[in-house]
Amino acid sequence: QIQLVQSGPELKKPGESVKISCKASGYTFTDYAMHWVKQAPGKGLKWMGWINTYTGKPTYADDFKGRFVFSLEASASTANLQISNLKNEDTATYFCARRSGAFDYWGQGVMVTVSS
Amino acid sequence: DIQMTQSPSSMSASLGDTVTINCLASQDIGNYLSWYQQKPGKSPKLMIYGATNLEDGVPSRFSGSRSGSDYSLTINSLGYDDEGIYHCHQYYEYPNTFGAGTKLELK
Repeated sequence: QIQLVQSGPELKKPGESVKISCKASGYTFTDYAMHWVKQAPGKGLKWMGWINTYTGKPTYADDFKGRFVFSLEASASTANLQISNLKNEDTATYFCARRSGAFDYWGQGVMVTVSS
Repeated sequence: DIQMTQSPSSMSASLGDTVTINCLASQDIGNYLSWYQQKPGKSPKLMIYGATNLEDGVPSRFSGSRSGSDYSLTINSLGYDDEGIYHCHQYYEYPNTFGAGTKLELK
């Protein structure tokens, strides 16, 4: 069965970096784009961008340009999100989601807490 | 960016009721509209895609409709398992955008 399994929760200090992984299984990884979505505590969903899993080309929403990097380990069917120079406002749950038209499969989410 | 204005922000209904949640797109998105259900501490679950298509495994009590730039999610015969937050999502163009969400509670 199709699954997206993300890495575990993270507690970081401001200025640090974090790398979140999203391991896909049950389908051909390179056949579907992978998208990233942020959900701050008690807030709605915000689209961060996506990565072409065939070419590796990332596309970022305007609010996520600069400190955010999408990458792949295609041989491991894994997409990664790295956030550098963490800020308090990065505290959120980060989801990966497979796009098949709409987002048909989601990871379980990774809670990233940024606190001094 | 396309704005998705979702209403209501919250609602309370009784077992067996029929409820409707709406999303208004700020510009044409065709049928590139999906609806998700999210329960506390869980990831969103796709319910409706292409504005009117029921995702596999989703009960037929759920339906989606479109009238111009107005999109609706209707839930018939409301059950306790339908509690949660519902999000609309346009995937017509980048950046994709979501509505602010509707919290549905049962009385």
